Amino acid sequence: EPEVTQTPSHQVTQMGQEVILRCVPISNHLYFYWYRQILGQKVEFLVSFYNNEISEKSEIFDDQFSVERPDGSNFTLKIRSTKLEDSAMYFCASNEQGGLNTEAFFGQGTRLTVV
Amino acid sequence: GQQLNQSPQSMFIQEGEDVSMNCTSSSIFNTWLWYKQDPGEGPVLLIALYKAGELTSNGRLTAQFGITRKDSFLNISASIPSDVGIYFCAGSRTGNQFYFGTGTSLTVIP
Repeated sequence: EPEVTQTPSHQVTQMGQEVILRCVPISNHLYFYWYRQILGQKVEFLVSFYNNEISEKSEIFDDQFSVERPDGSNFTLKIRSTKLEDSAMYFCASNEQGGLNTEAFFGQGTRLTVV
Repeated sequence: GQQLNQSPQSMFIQEGEDVSMNCTSSSIFNTWLWYKQDPGEGPVLLIALYKAGELTSNGRLTAQFGITRKDSFLNISASIPSDVGIYFCAGSRTGNQFYFGTGTSLTVIP
């Protein structure tokens, strides 16, 4: 069964460093998302991406964050200057089509630890 | 952001019992999804609901999209140990952004 894959599974970085989290969405999917989950808390929406541009973003997704689809398969989340509070699980998700009749499939996540 | 409240927050049940959990919102949603998350894993989609009043089953799982479009429930019948995990509801108005609930932690005692 096709799945969303994320790398790395765990990333440890020093505060102030840049990190890039990578995702390979399901191949025929057109809509891509990043969510994050701080330990023990609920999953929070960061950003949605379609047709090479951001569709929606939350208040969490500030200027420190950016997303890119550098080629036909990868979808990346960059955090420019990490802060301690950026430590969380980051999930990539994709779905085949946007709109209401849509099911988002999630990757296994990248655990980001900022020290 | 949107607040989706799930209840109960946690449940401890005996294997074989039925489980019921729900999710309520102050806002109307047009799509409801239910996910299960195991520790250290990503959410796995269980059931998707697209129409108010819709009742959908997936094996032992049944979920309903509330008529008011502000709530949804998930039932699990005849629970088994592998049902253990955290269950999240997620609602969306546009299909582009999903708001997740606070989660229900389920423990099944063999």
